[in-house]
Amino acid sequence: EIVLTQSPGTLSLSPGERATLSCRASQSVSSSYLAWYQQKPGQAPRLLIYGASSRATGIPDRFSGSGSGTDFTLTISRLEPEDFAVYYCQQYGSSSWTFGQGTKVEIK
Amino acid sequence: QVQLVESGGGLVKPGGSLRLSCAASGFTFSDYYMSWIRQAPGKGLEWVSYISSSGSTIYYADSVKGRFTISRDNAKNSLYLQMNSLRAEDTAVYYCATTYYDYVSLDWYFDLWGRGTLVTVSS
Repeated sequence: EIVLTQSPGTLSLSPGERATLSCRASQSVSSSYLAWYQQKPGQAPRLLIYGASSRATGIPDRFSGSGSGTDFTLTISRLEPEDFAVYYCQQYGSSSWTFGQGTKVEIK
Repeated sequence: QVQLVESGGGLVKPGGSLRLSCAASGFTFSDYYMSWIRQAPGKGLEWVSYISSSGSTIYYADSVKGRFTISRDNAKNSLYLQMNSLRAEDTAVYYCATTYYDYVSLDWYFDLWGRGTLVTVSS
């Protein structure tokens, strides 16, 4: 089973700052199989990025994804107040899906 | 309105059973692969089970294999999860989600999620 490790666990930033979130896989992952989700308290996760770098419908262009192989990154270019949330990466492989443990982006 | 609505959660004793349902509306349910994903209180996301659009292909996480059964009724636009031999560690919010596969780009992802239903396993 591929394990996804996200870092940092918590990111403390101010609105307007840039956020860089990392997702590292225990073995190589096809870029097609890598997605990112945002989850706010009491809400279901929301798809942000699929195929490592494609934005889902309605997602602002301040969100971008990049990476390949074992290292993937979610970047939020300028944090808006509504972006403070928990972010998860997810991969598919061998008829199963796994998620990273999440990165919390909190207001500094 | 495109949505998924889960139901059937509640409090159950260890060793007990529960059946979750997920009602789909606003889209052609029979065209979509579906999954159940859970989240223990204060924890991260864990994929539980997947079913293809026809129901012919099914996958389970090792943690629930042999205890949980996923099924669907396309005529009723509904997805189900039969949970038997429940354990304390099965306590979680259970989400249903459409599981999208792009045959051109080979992308796999969960694009539409319900709001979840809470299952609590406790004596």
